[in-house]
Amino acid sequence: GAVVSQHPSRVICKSGTSVKIECRSLDFQATTMFWYRQFPKKSLMLMATSNEGSKATYEQGVEKDKFLINHASLTLSTLTVTSAHPEDSSFYICSAVREAKNQPQHFGDGTRLSIL
Amino acid sequence: GENVEQHPSTLSVQEGDSAVIKCTYSDSASNYFPWYKQELGKRPQLIIDIRSNVGEKKDQRIAVTLNKTAKHFSLHITETQPEDSAVYFCAASIRPGTASKLTFGTGTRLQVTL
Repeated sequence: GAVVSQHPSRVICKSGTSVKIECRSLDFQATTMFWYRQFPKKSLMLMATSNEGSKATYEQGVEKDKFLINHASLTLSTLTVTSAHPEDSSFYICSAVREAKNQPQHFGDGTRLSIL
Repeated sequence: GENVEQHPSTLSVQEGDSAVIKCTYSDSASNYFPWYKQELGKRPQLIIDIRSNVGEKKDQRIAVTLNKTAKHFSLHITETQPEDSAVYFCAASIRPGTASKLTFGTGTRLQVTL
C-alpha cells in the first residue's frame, strides 16, 4: 500500500519551456501532497504544500508564479515549472499523506529536470 | 522555524559493523521523527520513525533513540550489509499527517565496505 507515482521521471527541454510534473497517490486518497526540490548530494527542500481544493502554501523564497501547483483531486497534484531556465534544473520529488491519523509521508520516484 | 542538523555527512563502515547517525533539532514542539533511506536517483523510503512518547524503537537491525530533553535523536544500524549503502536523512515535524511539514537533515552518505 501507500504507492505514490510521479511522472515523468526525466525531462530534458529547452530554456523557456513550461514543464508539468504529475504526482498521483495510487491506492489511497491524499488531501495533502508536498513538493520538494533536491540538488545533487543535498537534502530535500520543501517548496510547497499542495492542498486539495485550495491554494498551495509556498515556502519562503519559492516563487508561486514560477512553480504553479494544482491539486484538483484527492489523488493528483501537479507542479508546473513555467518558462524554465537552466537554474531550474533539479530533482523534484513529491510526497503524499494518506488521509488518516498520524500517517507518514510517502514519496514518489522523483523527476529529474534538465533545462538546456 | 525548525532546524535539523545531521552528522556525520559521510560514514564508512566495514560489513558487519554498526553505524550510528545523529541528528539534533531546534523546535521543542517537534514530536515526530522519521528516518528515510535514499539510494542514488531513487525515492526516499521510510525505514523507521519515532514519536515523542517513546525513547527508543527497534525494527530488526535498525533502531532509533530519542532524547527530547537534549533535542537529539539517532539512528543505529547493526550488522551492516552492502545493501545498507545509501544516503540517510533524518527529519522532524510537529506530528505526522497531513498538516505537518517535515524538515530534513542534510543527509549522511553511508558506505558499507566488504
